[in-house]
Amino acid sequence: AQKITQTQPGMFVQEKEAVTLDCTYDTSDPSYGLFWYKQPSSGEMIFLIYQGSYDQQNATEGRYSLNFQKARKSANLVISASQLGDSAMYFCAMVILTGGGNKLTFGTGTQLKVEL
Amino acid sequence: NAGVMQNPRHLVRRRGQEARLRCSPMKGHSHVYWYRQLPEEGLKFMVYLQKENIIDESGMPKERFSAEFPKEGPSILRIQQVVRGDSAAYFCASSPRTSGSSKNIQYFGAGTRLSVL
Repeated sequence: AQKITQTQPGMFVQEKEAVTLDCTYDTSDPSYGLFWYKQPSSGEMIFLIYQGSYDQQNATEGRYSLNFQKARKSANLVISASQLGDSAMYFCAMVILTGGGNKLTFGTGTQLKVEL
Repeated sequence: NAGVMQNPRHLVRRRGQEARLRCSPMKGHSHVYWYRQLPEEGLKFMVYLQKENIIDESGMPKERFSAEFPKEGPSILRIQQVVRGDSAAYFCASSPRTSGSSKNIQYFGAGTRLSVL
């Protein structure tokens, strides 16, 4: 069974600084995808970034980048130039791409607070 | 912006009543997923459906919970005889394609917050 671990329940960062949110995963399947979602206080889940296990390059989407280290089984999210609007809960998730399943397995999340 | 639409956003039920949660996927998406988020926790998978078919219901409680995605109309998550422990946020997601494809992004709705009194 797959598992996602987010060890930082809460993080603080100053506006305009970069921050790294940690995520490690565990699976024996070689084909998988890794996601980060943002959940602001309003409650919706917003897709941020995706990394496939066979992707050669680390994914980037604007100010978001995914530091994918396959051997370490880590998929950390880096947010550059933090903004006050980045304050939210961030969830790492994984999907196994083989076998016909589509369910996402989520971590417990990291609450990010951006300060002036 | 025709995203995933869930209604109602908030639902209050008394113990023993039924709760019906609706989800309309994004245009062009034929795969729907339901997840439950208990307070202070991450989302937990419940069920995956395609039109008229339940593909994976491994996360659904065996009793009182059911889901459908008819040929016409939204997907429905139905909870019969609700109990206080059913109080949670229920999220629906949709995607355009099935597993095996890379970048099979699941896009989420805003969720339905169910409160059982």
